[in-house]
Amino acid sequence: AQSVTQLGSHVSVSEGALVLLRCNYSSSVPPYLFWYVQYPNQGLQLLLKYTSAATLVKGINGFEAEFKKSETSFHLTKPSAHMSDAAEYFCAVSAGNNRKLIWGLGTSLAVNP
Amino acid sequence: DAGVIQSPRHEVTEMGQEVTLRCKPISGHNSLFWYRQTMMRGLELLIYFNNNVPIDDSGMPEDRFSAKMPNASFSTLKIQPSEPRDSAVYFCASSLASKTYEQYFGPGTRLTVT
Repeated sequence: AQSVTQLGSHVSVSEGALVLLRCNYSSSVPPYLFWYVQYPNQGLQLLLKYTSAATLVKGINGFEAEFKKSETSFHLTKPSAHMSDAAEYFCAVSAGNNRKLIWGLGTSLAVNP
Repeated sequence: DAGVIQSPRHEVTEMGQEVTLRCKPISGHNSLFWYRQTMMRGLELLIYFNNNVPIDDSGMPEDRFSAKMPNASFSTLKIQPSEPRDSAVYFCASSLASKTYEQYFGPGTRLTVT
């Protein structure tokens, strides 16, 4: 069985500061891992994905995440926050291709001027 | 491509009424998902279809909920009778069956049951 824990339901950073959103997973098989972003009043969109290739994954809008098996983590980072990054971010895991996504509860990111 | 289309965008109804939510997936996608999002429970998968066939409906809360996909370009989620606790944002998403992790979401339907 798979599960996802996102540490911190709300994160607030200053514009230009580092963004770090934490995600830990549990999986009995090698996982696929994902970050999705939800802007206000919109549906979710895929930000980046890890599907057993390179452990450092780059996504859209300058975000990246690193798969660390030893820590069962897949934290999302961005070196410099922009006001437009304010959104809800969801981490998800699946047991491989064609398997149901298991979602975290989400982390709301606020960016202060 | 127009993306995933959902209608209506907002629905306000009284308890006991029937509610039908509609979804048109991206052309060429053969997997379709219905989700419910609330503050308390987060994002919940209700049901998903592959090639118009329901594969997993374990997330459907109870018999008041039903979903259909009569063809590759249309799906409905029906609640009958509706209750105040059904108030939520309902999302439809679609994907290729070969990449069900790469889902494209519609804008959602915000349902309020009074």
